[in-house]
Amino acid sequence: AQSVTQLDSQVPVFEEAPVELRCNYSSSVSVYLFWYVQYPNQGLQLLLKYLSGSTLVKGINGFEAEFNKSQTSFHLRKPSVHISDTAEYFCAVSDYDDYKLSFGAGTTVTVRA
Amino acid sequence: DAGVTQSPTHLIKTRGQQVTLRCSPKSGHDTVSWYQQALGQGPQFIFQYYEEEERQRGNFPDRFSGHQFPNYSSELNVNALLLGDSALYLCASSLAGAENTEAFFGQGTRLTVV
Repeated sequence: AQSVTQLDSQVPVFEEAPVELRCNYSSSVSVYLFWYVQYPNQGLQLLLKYLSGSTLVKGINGFEAEFNKSQTSFHLRKPSVHISDTAEYFCAVSDYDDYKLSFGAGTTVTVRA
Repeated sequence: DAGVTQSPTHLIKTRGQQVTLRCSPKSGHDTVSWYQQALGQGPQFIFQYYEEEERQRGNFPDRFSGHQFPNYSSELNVNALLLGDSALYLCASSLAGAENTEAFFGQGTRLTVV
């Protein structure tokens, strides 16, 4: 069974500064990896996903993530954040042959001017 | 394209009551999954429906049941509500074969049990 650990529950950051959100997963098989964003009182929006191929994945809104199989990590980064990036971010994993997504507990990003 | 739509958006129920939540999948999608997101936590998988059958189930009691209709829309039913059932319930739709790679989420239904 998969599990996801998001290492930071809250990340305060100043506008235009870089941010990194850490995610580690555990699974005995090959996996797909995802980052979702949730704005207040809204559903989940996909930021990016790793299915195969290049380990550096680029997503929407300037976000990118790097898959590291040896460290079982999938950290999310953005070089320069905006106030509008204030939201909850969830890392998720799914086994190749599974139907469901398993989510981490989330990281709250608060961007300050 | 309306995307995934859920109704109602908010709901308040009393402990012991029953509740039904509804989900219309994104156009062209035939698979619906339900997730429970308690306050301050990540979404937890409840179950998935495909071809009007429950195909996979998470670690939830039998009080949680569902249904999928021929038009692919779905309902989530929760019986004998507990205070701990208060959460945001999210519906995700996808196409068979891409259940875990192309899931689109709705805005959710906020259920409060008092």
